[in-house]
Amino acid sequence: KAGVTQTPRYLIKTRGQQVTLSCSPISGHRSVSWYQQTPGQGLQFLFEYFSETQRNKGNFPGRFSGRQFSNSRSEMNVSTLELGDSALYLCASSFTGTAYNEQFFGPGTRLTVL
Amino acid sequence: AQSVTQLDSHVSVSEGTPVLLRCNYSSSYSPSLFWYVQHPNKGLQLLLKYTSAATLVKGINGFEAEFKKSETSFHLTKPSAHMSDAAEYFCVVSGKNNNDMRFGAGTRLTVKP
Repeated sequence: KAGVTQTPRYLIKTRGQQVTLSCSPISGHRSVSWYQQTPGQGLQFLFEYFSETQRNKGNFPGRFSGRQFSNSRSEMNVSTLELGDSALYLCASSFTGTAYNEQFFGPGTRLTVL
Repeated sequence: AQSVTQLDSHVSVSEGTPVLLRCNYSSSYSPSLFWYVQHPNKGLQLLLKYTSAATLVKGINGFEAEFKKSETSFHLTKPSAHMSDAAEYFCVVSGKNNNDMRFGAGTRLTVKP
């Protein structure tokens, strides 16, 4: 079974631009979660989508948004990029998204904002 | 509210010696606990999880962890370190939903030849 895939793996943008990251979950998984990983703040939960609906949301500004398609693929969008948005963005999928279901992580997209 | 504290930011061991990575948690209710490993430029991989079954949990690659409610700890151990174990390790506590998940700051494990 193929794992979670994320594209692109690396991105370089400048302040003020916007960016879209993509995540394809493991086949059959309906829950997709996004995380931001930085050296200073560690791993922080952004949001979770389940069956095309945002089910849970972390404490991030509205510049961070996402969506999920009917095939469970998910995209994350960050508008008006700031230097502090430079991070590794990780996507994770699970069957139901509850605490008892293991999350499978993708390799991440490393975003650099100049 | 939930939180997790990894007591060591960096642990260094020699190959063939035991590994101990310490994790304390705080949870308002019966938690689920996980250990993940992250190798450089890779995503996180689940090592093991505790979900209110046996308190001694065995994971992949020879790792295991013991849930101790009285000490609110979930320390990760391995009897004999291998060079390939060098990575970042994250202890995670989770409630009912993914937005309840709290990641520890991570422990970087270095394995010396």
